[in-house]
Amino acid sequence: EAGVAQSPRYKIIEKRQSVAFWCNPISGHATLYWYQQILGQGPKLLIQFQNNGVVDDSQLPKDRFSAERLKGVDSTLKIQPAKLEDSAVYLCASSGQGRGGYTFGSGTRLTVV
Amino acid sequence: RKEVEQDPGPFNVPEGATVAFNCTYSNSASQSFFWYRQDCRKEPKLLMSVYSSGNEDGRFTAQLNRASQYISLLIRDSKLSDSATYLCLLGGSYIPTFGRGTSLIVHP
Repeated sequence: EAGVAQSPRYKIIEKRQSVAFWCNPISGHATLYWYQQILGQGPKLLIQFQNNGVVDDSQLPKDRFSAERLKGVDSTLKIQPAKLEDSAVYLCASSGQGRGGYTFGSGTRLTVV
Repeated sequence: RKEVEQDPGPFNVPEGATVAFNCTYSNSASQSFFWYRQDCRKEPKLLMSVYSSGNEDGRFTAQLNRASQYISLLIRDSKLSDSATYLCLLGGSYIPTFGRGTSLIVHP
């Protein structure tokens, strides 16, 4: 079974620039999550999709962050404009039916300078 | 009180030791519980799910105490390769929420 694919692996941008991350979940997984992990902290949920609908985005800074999952498969997360405090690893995860937990992609490490 | 709390450690133990971590949670409606392992600069990887009856996988034992609202992870006969950060995750219909993680360092 292929895992969760994310790209790019690394990104360095200047503050006020925009950036986009891409995620392709495990085939058949209806639920997709974007997490932000700041160094030394646990991952924080930004947004959760069920198929192509948003289940929860209460912790997404909507003035600068946006995400979509138009066809219910892959997803993009965008930051515009970026701030220094957005430097973090952005993790995508997916889950299917049952109690199998959540599978994570390898993440995108964003550095805003 | 934070939704999910973990002692960040580090727990510094010799090889062969037994070590235990707890994760306390505040939302009694939490339905599913997991332990993840995260190596430095890597993504979290599922270590084990935590069932009401408790479960064991080799040297690892996970337990759930709903009355006191915590889950635990016990590692027996620690190996150098167990050095990592251990994250608890509360999921299900509740918004999946991680603890900040507990750092374990196993030394020779």
